[in-house]
Amino acid sequence: QKEVEQDPGPLSVPEGAIVSLNCTYSNSAFQYFMWYRQYSRKGPELLMYTYSSGNKEDGRFTAQVDKSSKYISLFIRDSQPSDSATYLCAMSTTSGYSTLTFGKGTMLLVSP
Amino acid sequence: EAQVTQNPRYLITVTGKKLTVTCSQNMNHEYMSWYRQDPGLGLRQIYYSMNVEVTDKGDVPEGYKVSRKEKRNFPLILESPSPNQTSLYFCASAVDGRGSYNEQFFGPGTRLTVL
Repeated sequence: QKEVEQDPGPLSVPEGAIVSLNCTYSNSAFQYFMWYRQYSRKGPELLMYTYSSGNKEDGRFTAQVDKSSKYISLFIRDSQPSDSATYLCAMSTTSGYSTLTFGKGTMLLVSP
Repeated sequence: EAQVTQNPRYLITVTGKKLTVTCSQNMNHEYMSWYRQDPGLGLRQIYYSMNVEVTDKGDVPEGYKVSRKEKRNFPLILESPSPNQTSLYFCASAVDGRGSYNEQFFGPGTRLTVL
């Protein structure tokens, strides 16, 4: 079983839709959960950063962590064509140094 | 502007011809890292550096070298490139004394093709 699983997509939605992106993981030691957004021909950029279980909201984006199920989600409300990108989940065991474990990314396409 | 820069952005070379990809950051970050990104394999860490003169192997270090002589620079060296090193390479940095190693800033990427 891979440490982090993420559906590669592509996920195609119309503008204005609510998008749900998900990752599952197997390592129960993961405590820190990140979502990085990667536009085509660009480097990843940190979008959301959460610790342990619960929800975190930032504008149209909500990150949700369910440690009991080893499942994390990123919700995008009122999706826009500018949200079209690849979304990478990433996890680590500490805020100090440890290797970030990345999912392979989900490609999202939002059509006008 | 706070940023990580990489050069060159695109490079086509031949097997065995030594090359260096430069990486520089202007955020006074202690930590720097190199990743490669391949279809179906995602991001994999090559090498990282916790500070000047401190480097360590990541998950896929074979065929690569790095050095950290200055805090802002972290070049990636391929002494004898092979076709299986054809990939998209990203440099990243983190930690200015306040932030977390998880909050990594990535460069724009270097697309390398080895013929």
